[in-house]
Amino acid sequence: ETGVTQTPRHLVMGMTNKKSLKCEQHLGHNAMYWYKQSAKKPLELMFVYNFKEQTENNSVPSRFSPECPNSSHLFLHLHTLQPEDSALYLCASSPLGQGLGNTEAFFGQGTRLTVV
Amino acid sequence: RKEVEQDPGPFNVPEGATVAFNCTYSNSASQSFFWYRQDCRKEPKLLMSVYSSGNEDGRFTAQLNRASQYISLLIRDSKLSDSATYLCVVSTMDSSYKLIFGSGTRLLVRP
Repeated sequence: ETGVTQTPRHLVMGMTNKKSLKCEQHLGHNAMYWYKQSAKKPLELMFVYNFKEQTENNSVPSRFSPECPNSSHLFLHLHTLQPEDSALYLCASSPLGQGLGNTEAFFGQGTRLTVV
Repeated sequence: RKEVEQDPGPFNVPEGATVAFNCTYSNSASQSFFWYRQDCRKEPKLLMSVYSSGNEDGRFTAQLNRASQYISLLIRDSKLSDSATYLCVVSTMDSSYKLIFGSGTRLLVRP
């Protein structure tokens, strides 16, 4: 248990559905991230939030829409997805502040998404 | 060129063997360096941070060469439980603090 919780753990959705992934951390971290991991591909950074502000959108299609209402919660809203969007979606958080040092990221267990 | 490059493997070694993984990164402004471990269908977990002076944690030794932009991980006396994918991770700070992952090197330790 890393302190980062993702729900749901598994999700099957049709291409016309709208769903949301949720991530929650109570580690006091100020940076939160969404990563995508497709089969046999490396982790791809999707979005970065520092202090609740989106600081990076890594050329992600608009059918993925992140939301960070507070420093403890991060959502990924999904709509009109394609089958190739099927993947493991991982949320992570890390501390930020003075003297970053070696600030590791803690991952949630991920949501395994299947688009049919 | 990928920001973080690793040999994908797999490395198939017998128990007790010593195995070394290498990683190169392209951004000379990278700040922090890590090795993560990812088991099949699980999330990545921190194995160890990598310090400029090199550091050791039991059977694991990590080295960093900033001049060559090269990171290594050495595993001595391999155990069956070491079988996993090892991810080289580099942090950068430009528009935001973020971690960039290599594609991972798969290790299989056989009896």
